[in-house]
Amino acid sequence: DAGVIQSPRHEVTEMGQEVTLRCKPISGHNSLFWYRQTMMRGLELLIYFNNNVPIDDSGMPEDRFSAKMPNASFSTLKIQPSEPRDSAVYFCASSLDRGGYTFGSGTRLTVV
Amino acid sequence: QQPVQSPQAVILREGEDAVINCSSSKALYSVHWYRQKHGEAPVFLMILLKGGEQKGHEKISASFNEKKQQSSLYLTASQLSYSGTYFCGTEYNNNAGNMLTFGGGTRLMVKP
Repeated sequence: DAGVIQSPRHEVTEMGQEVTLRCKPISGHNSLFWYRQTMMRGLELLIYFNNNVPIDDSGMPEDRFSAKMPNASFSTLKIQPSEPRDSAVYFCASSLDRGGYTFGSGTRLTVV
Repeated sequence: QQPVQSPQAVILREGEDAVINCSSSKALYSVHWYRQKHGEAPVFLMILLKGGEQKGHEKISASFNEKKQQSSLYLTASQLSYSGTYFCGTEYNNNAGNMLTFGGGTRLMVKP
């Protein structure tokens, strides 16, 4: 198994631009999570999908953030417009039912 | 509400033991433990379920005290490869699913 695959690994963008992060979960996993990690705030849950349905998006910072999971093998996290304070490492993770999470390698986002 | 981890950091010599604690103010369904090395994604170590037994993984084991809403991670005869940041992730009883809230992390450094 290739694990959870995220792209891109690094993204540098200018303030105001749209950013799209992508995630392919492990085949057969039915839960998908987007987390953001910063030194100041640690690992924060942004949104949680179960069987492709968004269950909890209370961690999404504001309307500039949106996430979709059109099918069991793909999810996107979009930021529009991006701001410097969005700079962080964004992790996607998947799990089967209430099992352990497998994290992707992350996307390091820098907004200048 | 984020679980509280202690200590925040610990330095060990190879072969020494360490205990990392994780406590919650809310009733827990499960506790996960992860290790993250610098520049990498968190890696799942083990899960402890409500009503379950103490789990073990090589020389790393953990316990879960449901009454006290606490979990402890035990690292015995530490090796250089144990260095990294350890996170506990807590799943609360009233969750709609298996969303984890992560603690702030404990930085562990093992020296030769």
